[in-house]
Amino acid sequence: ETGVTQSPTHLIKTRGQQVTLRCSSQSGHNTVSWYQQALGQGPQFIFQYYREEENGRGNFPPRFSGLQFPNYSSELNVNALELDDSALYLCASSPRPGGEQFFGPGTRLTVL
Amino acid sequence: TQLLEQSPQFLSIQEGENLTVYCNSSSVFSSLQWYRQEPGEGPVLLVTVVTGGEVKKLKRLTFQFGDARKDSSLHITAAQPGDTGLYLCAGLEGSGGGADGLTFGKGTHLIIQP
Repeated sequence: ETGVTQSPTHLIKTRGQQVTLRCSSQSGHNTVSWYQQALGQGPQFIFQYYREEENGRGNFPPRFSGLQFPNYSSELNVNALELDDSALYLCASSPRPGGEQFFGPGTRLTVL
Repeated sequence: TQLLEQSPQFLSIQEGENLTVYCNSSSVFSSLQWYRQEPGEGPVLLVTVVTGGEVKKLKRLTFQFGDARKDSSLHITAAQPGDTGLYLCAGLEGSGGGADGLTFGKGTHLIIQP
């Protein structure tokens, strides 16, 4: 059974650019959640996708958007990058909304 | 906005000592999860507690969910250097079918010195 994978591992962008991060969920899981973890902080919920629809959203602006595909993999897109967007972006999959969440290794995004 | 407060934020103890980490909130959670995170990696799920008063054991780790489902504790007996890491508690709100995501505490940085 393959766990949650994320790509890329690291990414460096400049302010104003756009970025796409990818996540493959664990086998049998249909729900994907994305979190932002700033240095020294706990993860903060961005949004959740269930059966290709956004199922819930945290306190993040609309320039944070996502997609979920029929195979339940997911993308996180961030437009108009700001310096404060520098963080570890974590994807978590679960067998259903409200189920236990299993995290991937994360993508470290640095915005210069 | 629900908040989870963890204490202590930092803890450095000698190998073989016991320790307790606390996770407190004014809100009720339908479930609470504990994770351990290594630098540069994603959190790894240790345990999920669901029922008020529930106690779960994982080798030398004991997890307890408060009777009112507002707080939790993690107790480590005879800590080992391999226990070093960031311990995070995360709660799931009771309503909304889980669509609100997990609310995380800021974590407890634990260092076990040989």
